Amino acid sequence: QKEVEQNSGPLSVPEGAIASLNCTYSDRGSQSFFWYRQYSGKSPELIMFIYSNGDKEDGRFTAQLNKASQYVSLLIRDSQPSDSATYLCAVMRDASGTYKYIFGTGTRLKVLA
Amino acid sequence: GAVVSQHPSWVICKSGTSVKIECRSLDFQATTMFWYRQFPKKSLMLMATSNEGSKATYEQGVEKDKFLINHASLTLSTLTVTSAHPEDSSFYICGGDTSYEQYFGPGTRLTVT
Repeated sequence: QKEVEQNSGPLSVPEGAIASLNCTYSDRGSQSFFWYRQYSGKSPELIMFIYSNGDKEDGRFTAQLNKASQYVSLLIRDSQPSDSATYLCAVMRDASGTYKYIFGTGTRLKVLA
Repeated sequence: GAVVSQHPSWVICKSGTSVKIECRSLDFQATTMFWYRQFPKKSLMLMATSNEGSKATYEQGVEKDKFLINHASLTLSTLTVTSAHPEDSSFYICGGDTSYEQYFGPGTRLTVT
């Protein structure tokens, strides 16, 4: 079982719709959760992070965390063609005083104009 | 968000030569920097974690003598690929960490001929 799992997609949504991206993780010791957006040929860009159970909203983006179910999601409202990219879920894990980020393989989102 | 620069953005070198990649945090101090490589259509693979003033921690399977990492200051980390071979061709990305939020540099595309 991979430590961070995402559906590879592609997830296709029409312009203006809500895109829902999901991620599960296996290590209950994971402390922080991140969503990155990566355009083809570019490096990832941090969109949001969430530490506590519940929802966190930032503009058109909402991150949702459920630690009991080991599940984190990203909702993109009013999706635009410019949102078409690969979305990477990452968890931060602390181990013996050091920490690292574990990334999922990403979900490719296509927003259709 | 915080800004990380990376230089060079792309490099072509001959097999057997060494290449140095610089990663700088421009508007924050990065006590920890992470180095990743990414193959086409694959996720980020963590190579090593470096903390300012101390030796880097390498992930299993990453040759520390081949991928030399130096984190000389809170704003500068370097990765040197020694005796590069075609299989080292990849997209190398550094991540600077501030307060448990990681921001990526734009990446360096290395091609070894």
